[in-house]
Amino acid sequence: GNSVTQMEGPVTLSEEAFLTINCTYTATGYPSLFWYVQYPGEGLQLLLKATKADDKGSNKGFEATYRKETTSFHLEKGSVQVSDSAVYFCALTKGYQKVTFGTGTKLQVIP
Amino acid sequence: EAGVAQSPRYKIIEKRQSVAFWCNPISGHATLYWYQQILGQGPKLLIQFQNNGVVDDSQLPKDRFSAERLKGVDSTLKIQPAKLEDSAVYLCASSSEGLGNEKLFFGSGTQLSVL
Repeated sequence: GNSVTQMEGPVTLSEEAFLTINCTYTATGYPSLFWYVQYPGEGLQLLLKATKADDKGSNKGFEATYRKETTSFHLEKGSVQVSDSAVYFCALTKGYQKVTFGTGTKLQVIP
Repeated sequence: EAGVAQSPRYKIIEKRQSVAFWCNPISGHATLYWYQQILGQGPKLLIQFQNNGVVDDSQLPKDRFSAERLKGVDSTLKIQPAKLEDSAVYLCASSSEGLGNEKLFFGSGTQLSVL
């Protein structure tokens, strides 16, 4: 079945540092890939998505590229801010199948 | 645009008691989802409705969990009787059509503690 593997957290960075959160997936064919973010006390919200190979999703300075050859969708940001502190979930779906989420990676950014 | 509304925000019960959660999706969204998020894990789909019909309930523990979506709008998830391992955050989400690459809109969740 489909699965998503994320790097374990927590990840602690200083403000303005470079962020990478690794995500790899297992699925047949070409699933759609997502990053969701959960800020403290709030529900999950979509951060970005990519629906085909080599697509790059981007939003709020975050980027992720759909790499079919490495089955990866790593999340990156060039300069993190304290307000980026949250839990980040990688997810995938295919067709009408249910969305499969990773376990989440907690990011803490310190001033 | 109003978001997905859930209540209550927190609930504490003893094992073997029953509990119910309520969700009101975004107006016009045909698809409604209930997810269970255990601490340290990603959300796991319990049940998916398309209008008032069930699309996927393969991971719903049907001996104790039930859900309904009367009139294809708001929904209720019930647990009876609750077990210790049911302690989790229960998330409701909705989307406009239920297509795989659609954005899901989540509520803030109900945090359940079973003692």
